[in-house]
Amino acid sequence: NAGVTQTPKFRVLKTGQSMTLLCAQDMNHEYMYWYRQDPGMGLRLIHYSVGEGTTAKGEVPDGYNVSRLKKQNFLLGLESAAPSQTSVYFCASSLWATDQPQHFGDGTRLSIL
Amino acid sequence: AQSVAQPEDQVNVAEGNPLTVKCTYSVSGNPYLFWYVQYPNRGLQFLLKYITGDNLVKGSYGFEAEFNKSQTSFHLKKPSALVSDSALYFCAVRPQTGANNLFFGTGTRLTVIP
Repeated sequence: NAGVTQTPKFRVLKTGQSMTLLCAQDMNHEYMYWYRQDPGMGLRLIHYSVGEGTTAKGEVPDGYNVSRLKKQNFLLGLESAAPSQTSVYFCASSLWATDQPQHFGDGTRLSIL
Repeated sequence: AQSVAQPEDQVNVAEGNPLTVKCTYSVSGNPYLFWYVQYPNRGLQFLLKYITGDNLVKGSYGFEAEFNKSQTSFHLKKPSALVSDSALYFCAVRPQTGANNLFFGTGTRLTVIP
């Protein structure tokens, strides 16, 4: 009964390095989302996907890329990390977009030095 | 533009007293409204939602919320607070048409004092 699983849980990067965050869900959900959470700013949507093979930009997409090659996985990439990307990243999924609640992973804490 | 306001960053309440966490929203058309709770080092957990119908909705852990269309509010309530209710609470809104994502408030930290 895993739900939404994010890996890794913690990571420290140097400015300019790249990395990929992995999100996996086992609920057969169509929609998946990546958010970042910063103090005093709530959650802001980075990118989302409405199904396998699709992606779309959210509120703060710059500096990030995503891919959804398989329905159960949603990857978030940082090509050249910047200190402004230090944050807690959350992945979520939902059955569809309208009245269904989103199910969240426990987050990835990312620090960019 | 869609937006959610949680006017209180912090709410303190004594154990056993009723609690209210406030939320107001701005959305085009009719809204879907949600409350989530976040415990330390965890992701958000769904508490309850308003879709349509009765303005008072009941959710997990004894929480309820009242939808008020004229005041564009969706306040979270609980009749008797527990110390274990201490957490960060987020209100979120999605318009019924035209958007695939949720818009979150900035969160309210609830502390229940023993």
